Formats: sequence, C-alpha cells, structure tokens
Amino acid sequence: SAVISQKPSRDICQRGTSLTIQCQVDSQVTMMFWYRQQPGQSLTLIATANQGSEATYESGFVIDKFPISRPNLTFSTLTVSNMSPEDSSIYLCSVAPTGTEQYFGPGTRLTVT
Amino acid sequence: AQSVTQPDIHITVSEGASLELRCNYSYGATPYLFWYVQSPGQGLQLLLKYFSGDTLVQGIKGFEAEFKRSQSSFNLRKPSVHWSDAAEYFCAVVPLFSGGYNKLIFGAGTRLAVHP
Repeated sequence: SAVISQKPSRDICQRGTSLTIQCQVDSQVTMMFWYRQQPGQSLTLIATANQGSEATYESGFVIDKFPISRPNLTFSTLTVSNMSPEDSSIYLCSVAPTGTEQYFGPGTRLTVT
Repeated sequence: AQSVTQPDIHITVSEGASLELRCNYSYGATPYLFWYVQSPGQGLQLLLKYFSGDTLVQGIKGFEAEFKRSQSSFNLRKPSVHWSDAAEYFCAVVPLFSGGYNKLIFGAGTRLAVHP
C-alpha cells in the first residue's frame, strides 16, 4: 500500500478564482490519478498523471480547467481553474504502486461560493 | 453498455446482523474487481480485491466477497455488522484492455446505516 496526504483538506473559495490541490505520496509511484466526487455521488476519474508524460484526461475534463503537474514520482498537483459553484466537490488523488489496485488520499473538500 | 451496478442505494441493518451488498458488472471479459469503503469525511479504503483464482475473497475488517461468473456479480458480505461499519461502500472494476492503464470504474455506492 501507500500513505497519501492531500493539502488542503478543505477550502471555501469564491467563484472565478483558482485552487491548487497537492498530493504527496510516501513512496515513489509511476501511476497517479485524480478523481472528483460531487455531492452525494460516486467517483469520476478526471485524469491520469504519470511522471514524465502529459496527463491523460477523461472525456468531459480539459486541461485548461484542470491543469495537472507531476514533477516527480512522489508529488502531483491538480488546479481547479476559474471556479464555479458546480465545481464544489471532493477531489481525491490515488496511486497504483503495484500497477493494479489503487490507494486513495483523504480528499480535499472544495466549496465554491 | 459497460457498467458497474449497485442496486441498493441505502441499506439499514441492526448491529450484529449479517450484511450483503450487491454488485453486478457488465463487461465482456471478467474485470478486476474491488470493494472500497468511505467513512464520513474520509477518503476511500480498499476492503478487498479479486483478480483470479479462489472465488471467495477475504478482506479487512471481517469482510468477504464472492465472485460469481455466471451472475456477473461480486457481492460483499459480513456475518455480523458493527456500528462502526456505517459508511458508503463502493464496488469498482478495472476493465481488462482498458487502454494500457488502470482505469477504475466505480458503482454508484451503497450507503449503510447500522441501528443499535
């Protein structure tokens, strides 16, 4: 498994602003993922962020709205840009250290007013 | 269409009672199968997984799941529920041939409430 931390744990932001969420892992991992969990909903994959390559975005998510950085094998950031109330969600990062099962961070609860 | 279905949105059981949460999948080949739990205000914790082999899988916290190929199901069970088991439970799959990376597809979740 892996120990994953996220910062911030929660935030309240005004519409039109941007928030950068950090994800830190206690070991080097190639595969890292970002998910969104809208209120009362299940998880939806935003993008896959592998070190050394551009992030791969899922249908419905674009780089201009959710830019991702992956500077090394233990760290990644997700930015939620030009926020609107519809972006209010929990954002989670996960890693797949063995390439199959995924382990999740505690999440970042974002509220946009 | 390819999908993961959790038919029960909410389930309420009494403490000490047995529990079964249902999960069905619709994929051509048997995917990798997982159960996760999300306690209030927490991230997701992996309970158990099935890749191949023995169809009865043991997990953490006293949970087990049984893979039934004929029914395309992977139901989660626990013989005696504790109040601390109240949480949201997600079934998830990684479809084989998912484009070279582990695209985890989640079901809608089942919210479990436990009565004392």
